[in-house]
Amino acid sequence: LAKTTQPISMDSYEGQEVNITCSHNNIATNDYITWYQQFPSQGPRFIIQGYKTKVTNEVASLFIPADRKSSTLSLPRVSLSDTAVYYCLVPYSGGGADGLTFGKGTHLIIQP
Amino acid sequence: GAVVSQHPSWVICKSGTSVKIECRSLDFQATTMFWYRQFPKQSLMLMATSNEGSKATYEQGVEKDKFLINHASLTLSTLTVTSAHPEDSSFYICSAGRPGGDQPQHFGDGTRLSIL
Repeated sequence: LAKTTQPISMDSYEGQEVNITCSHNNIATNDYITWYQQFPSQGPRFIIQGYKTKVTNEVASLFIPADRKSSTLSLPRVSLSDTAVYYCLVPYSGGGADGLTFGKGTHLIIQP
Repeated sequence: GAVVSQHPSWVICKSGTSVKIECRSLDFQATTMFWYRQFPKQSLMLMATSNEGSKATYEQGVEKDKFLINHASLTLSTLTVTSAHPEDSSFYICSAGRPGGDQPQHFGDGTRLSIL
C-alpha cells in the first residue's frame, strides 16, 4: 500500500487560502488520491478525490502534478469551522472496495 | 445528506456487557462495509471488513470472538463488542463505499463506547 506523508499541523487565519501538501511517492497506477476531514468525535467526512491534474468542488480544490507523487488540497477562504484534522489517502480504485489505511493526518488550526 | 448512518452515537455500560452497534448505508446497497476504531488523539485503525452473506475478515490483532460482525443485508452491518471491558472503550466508526469503480468510502458519525 502506498504511504502518505503530510505535515502534522498547520496554522492559518480566517479568510486565508490554505494549502496542505501530501507526499505519496509510491502511488500505484490504480490508486486515487482522496482527502477526508475529521472533527472531534465525528467520523471522517469525504472532501475530494482525484486521479490526475485538478479537481474542484464546492468546498475544495485538489492539485495533482503529472507524476502523481504528491498532491495539494486547497481550501479557499477558511473559517474557524475549518479547524479539523485532514487526512490524505491513496486508495486503490477510489477506496470503495477495500479498507483504508489512515496516516496521522494534518491538524489544521484556524485562528480569528 | 448522510450516506452512512451509525447507531447509537454514544454508549456507556458496565464491564462484562455486550454492546451492539449498527451501521446502515442509506441510499445504496453495500456488499462490503468496514469497521474502524479510533483511540483519543490517534488515527483510525481498520478492524475488519464486513462482507454481506459471508464471514467478516479481521485485521491482524483483532479478536474475531470479541468483535462479532454480522452483515445480514445489503444495507446493514452490525458490530457486537462481547463481554466488553474498559480497554474496549473507544470510538468505533463504520464506512461503506458505493458500488462501482472509483468511488470513495463514506463514514458514519461514529459510536463513542465507554465501559465502566
